[in-house]
Amino acid sequence: QKEVEQDPGPLSVPEGAIVSLNCTYSNSAFQYFMWYRQYSRKGPELLMYTYSSGNKEDGRFTAQVDKSSKYISLFIRDSQPSDSATYLCAMRGGNKLVFGAGTILRVKS
Amino acid sequence: NAGVTQTPKFQVLKTGQSMTLQCAQDMNHEYMSWYRQDPGMGLRLIHYSVGAGITDQGEVPNGYNVSRSTTEDFPLRLLSAAPSQTSVYFCASSFGTNEKLFFGSGTQLSVL
Repeated sequence: QKEVEQDPGPLSVPEGAIVSLNCTYSNSAFQYFMWYRQYSRKGPELLMYTYSSGNKEDGRFTAQVDKSSKYISLFIRDSQPSDSATYLCAMRGGNKLVFGAGTILRVKS
Repeated sequence: NAGVTQTPKFQVLKTGQSMTLQCAQDMNHEYMSWYRQDPGMGLRLIHYSVGAGITDQGEVPNGYNVSRSTTEDFPLRLLSAAPSQTSVYFCASSFGTNEKLFFGSGTQLSVL
């Protein structure tokens, strides 16, 4: 079993929709949770960074962490075609950083 | 400010050939690392360095060598390429081990 599970998609939504991306994990030692966005043929870039359970909002993006359920989410409001990318979740515990395999998101105009 | 620069962007090798993937950063980052990205597998750490002269193995180090003679450069060497090393390789750097990672644009490597 992988330490971090992420549905690969692709997830296809119309422009303006609310998008929900999710990851589950099995390692209770993970304390820091991140979301990276990766455009085609580019390297990942950090989108959101959270610590512990709760919500964090940044513009149209909201990251949610539920440590009791070992479940994290990224919500994108008013999705735009420019949001089309692969979204990777990542988790850190101590010096260990583990990435999910990524979810492909396509926002259609 | 170029950030993290990787060369080449694409490379095709024959089994048994050797080559070096180049990585340079101009942000004065102490921490540098190499990842490979395969479909359905996520990013996996190959080797990392916490400063010039210091390197260590990651999750999948076999078949790869690294060295860190300067703060700026962190090349990845494939000693004898195998088809299993066909992948996209990313170099990443940060100020410290647990700090925000900055990634390069990647090298797409095919081993025939």
